Amino acid sequence: EAGVAQSPRYKIIEKRQSVAFWCNPISGHATLYWYQQILGQGPKLLIQFQNNGVVDDSQLPKDRFSAERLKGVDSTLKIQPAKLEDSAVYLCASSFHQLTGLVGNTIYFGEGSWLTVV
Amino acid sequence: AQKVTQAQTEISVVEKEDVTLDCVYETRDTTYYLFWYKQPPSGELVFLIRRNSFDEQNEISGRYSWNFQKSTSSFNFTITASQVVDSAVYFCALSGFFGNEKLTFGTGTRLTIIP
Repeated sequence: EAGVAQSPRYKIIEKRQSVAFWCNPISGHATLYWYQQILGQGPKLLIQFQNNGVVDDSQLPKDRFSAERLKGVDSTLKIQPAKLEDSAVYLCASSFHQLTGLVGNTIYFGEGSWLTVV
Repeated sequence: AQKVTQAQTEISVVEKEDVTLDCVYETRDTTYYLFWYKQPPSGELVFLIRRNSFDEQNEISGRYSWNFQKSTSSFNFTITASQVVDSAVYFCALSGFFGNEKLTFGTGTRLTIIP
């Protein structure tokens, strides 16, 4: 089974430029997450989708970050304009919601997109 | 609010030694999940284990074992007979139950196994 796919793996941009990251979750996974991991820290949730609806975007800096999951499958995270403090790894993850019973949902992560803003 | 604390920032041990990574958590939820993830230099977070809050049985998987103690809000991870391939950053994480799966991560412990 294919894992979570992300692209590009690496990106270097100048501040005030824009960048977009793409994610394709594990097939059949209804829930998709974007996490930001700054060097030396644990990942922090930016946004969570359930199918194509937003469940939690409370920590997304909406003045510069946007994300969409139009058809409930793959997703795009955009940063515009980028700031130096946006330098981080952007991790996409997915999990499968089972609607019957208390079945836990393990979250599986992609390899991440490494962003450097100079 | 949920919080995960990994007090050990970095640990170095000689190969074949045993090592324990500590994790302490805080949550107001009565039911929750605890996780350990491994992050090698490639950057991918590799899932190691998930435990739910009503199952305090310790678990062993090969050289890995986990000690869950609800009374002390701890979920420690032990690697027995460490190997160089175990070198990575290890994250402990906490989530709620169905409908509240957002993971709250600790700051990670960088483990270096010295050959």
